[in-house]
Amino acid sequence: SQTIHQWPATLVQPVGSPLSLECTVEGTSNPNLYWYRQAAGRGLQLLFYSVGIGQISSEVPQNLSASRPQDRQFILSSKKLLLSDSGFYLCAWSVLAGREQYFGPGTRLTVT
Amino acid sequence: QKEVEQNSGPLSVPEGAIASLNCTYSDRGSQSFFWYRQYSGKSPELIMFIYSNGDKEDGRFTAQLNKASQYVSLLIRDSQPSDSATYLCAVHASGGSYIPTFGRGTSLIVHP
Repeated sequence: SQTIHQWPATLVQPVGSPLSLECTVEGTSNPNLYWYRQAAGRGLQLLFYSVGIGQISSEVPQNLSASRPQDRQFILSSKKLLLSDSGFYLCAWSVLAGREQYFGPGTRLTVT
Repeated sequence: QKEVEQNSGPLSVPEGAIASLNCTYSDRGSQSFFWYRQYSGKSPELIMFIYSNGDKEDGRFTAQLNKASQYVSLLIRDSQPSDSATYLCAVHASGGSYIPTFGRGTSLIVHP
């Protein structure tokens, strides 16, 4: 069966510090991968998605970036965090375009 | 701009009742439709998906799709307090779109 991991689970970072969040998927090959952010009381905001190694599409211009160095690894980064980067970061995968998504447990980021 | 609209709620129903959650979408060419459940502080989990007009049943859950009227609904029979959560509707456009559009969710409260 497929499993998706995210770490860390929670993170408190000062403004201006760097960020690296990691997501890995087990039990499937060549998944479509997604990074979402959910601010408190808000909906899901798609940040990036990837259909293959090294292929990243950005949906929202901001100070975040994403990379996919391996087939089942997706990394979200920032060089300098802003207060507005606080939120619940979710990684998800799907087997095909237009199909259901499966979410990881999420990382709760607080920028202070 | 593709939109997915949900009543934010909260929708409050007594235990044992039928909870009816509704979702409308703007893109007439949408092909696939999903319902996710999100408990407070947790990541979304897939409940059901539906691709064709009509009803699809899975245990206590029934998804209903009406493409002509551009709405999709989720019925929860014999509602339990454990069903209390936010329910997210997601829609994929036609043409094998990689990017779903999520509604902001409806909060459901099932009281004993």
